[in-house]
Parts: sequence; C-alpha cells; structure tokens
Amino acid sequence: DGGITQSPKYLFRKEGQNVTLSCEQNLNHDAMYWYRQDPGQGLRLIYYSQIVNDFQKGDIAEGYSVSREKKESFPLTVTSAQKNPTAFYLCASSTSGMAGYEQYFGPGTRLTVT
Amino acid sequence: SQQGEEDPQALSIQEGENATMNCSYKTSINNLQWYRQNSGRGLVHLILIRSNEREKHSGRLRVTLDTSKKSSSLLITASRAADTASYFCATDQYGNNRLAFGKGNQVVVIP
Repeated sequence: DGGITQSPKYLFRKEGQNVTLSCEQNLNHDAMYWYRQDPGQGLRLIYYSQIVNDFQKGDIAEGYSVSREKKESFPLTVTSAQKNPTAFYLCASSTSGMAGYEQYFGPGTRLTVT
Repeated sequence: SQQGEEDPQALSIQEGENATMNCSYKTSINNLQWYRQNSGRGLVHLILIRSNEREKHSGRLRVTLDTSKKSSSLLITASRAADTASYFCATDQYGNNRLAFGKGNQVVVIP
C-alpha cells in the first residue's frame, strides 16, 4: 500500500526542547517537502529536497533543520530557536522536483509547545 | 512569498448546488493546481491545469485558467456533503515544483 506517512499525529513538547517529526514515503518519489500550516494562513514551505543528500530552504526555514540521507525519509527537526513552533506540519512528496507534478501529502503532525 | 490567493470568503451551500471558488496570482506560472483538505487532514490533489490550457474537467470538478487576468476558478457541480472541506490553489515558483499555496477557501455543504 503506497503512501506517505507522518508520525506521530500529535506531539507535545516543552519550550526549549528540540523535536523531530518523521516523514516516510514508499512512492519512490525523488522530491520531498515540509510545510507549516497555521490557522487562516494556508501552507508555508519550510524546506524541500529534490534529491537524496540535497535540500534547500523554503520561505520560513529559520529555527528548523532537515536531512535527506535516504530517498524515502525526510525528517524535520524543530529547534528551540523556532520562536513559535506550535502548528500543524505537513510533509509531501512528488515524482520530481521539476514543475508540473502533483504533490502527495501525509496526514500531518500537530505540534504543541508549551 | 505566496502567489496563490483565493477569494477569502467561506461558502455555505445546500447539497446539490454548485460551488465556485476563485484564485488569483501575481507572476507567470507553468501550472496551477487545486487541492482539497478535510479538517485536520493532509491535502489531496484535485486537478492540475497548465498555463497553455484554459479549461479542464475531472468528474464534477471544472477548473478554468485565465493567464491574462492571472486567475483561476474551481467549480464543483452538484455538491455533496462529502465535499465539505477547504480548497487551496497552488502555483509553481521559479520553474520548479516549489508550490506557493493560497490561504484556502472553506466550503460547507449542508445536507
């Protein structure tokens, strides 16, 4: 059963702690993406990776870090430097990082930091 | 910065009616995509329309693209309660698949 998975669905952390969100895909897609969604603001791109061992910053990369050591995995770390980390985080993948391909989304992780 | 910008109003319609949403963007694009998001879930791709296309259909969905006005519309015909969701348009940026999403348009279909 092909798809993209994110875990956990809900995550709670204390302020000042780093936290890593998991994203795995078995679609054999080259490109993967991380978005942040806040109420009323749509999706904003954090980081993206067009190929293994390479990634680029999106529009709001500050306070986040990623790695792409395997094609199927693109974990996102929310560091203590992120000033307002509470949000809904969505991971996506696409066949290619070139224009014109649909993105497949995971179910999301809702992170709450108190 | 985000390019796709839907008309911000929320729609509330009766089952069986049509629902129309609009999206405008600022710069040239290669393609425009529409996605649906049910509450608290991931997005699901609905349809992609390329810059050289003017209209595209998929089941009960009809998408138009007017590149001269830099706008697109999504029409859902004969709406169903299951169509209740937020709908996002997204445009590609810089010739790659880095998408810029609008803020979404919430549609509520009343049974």
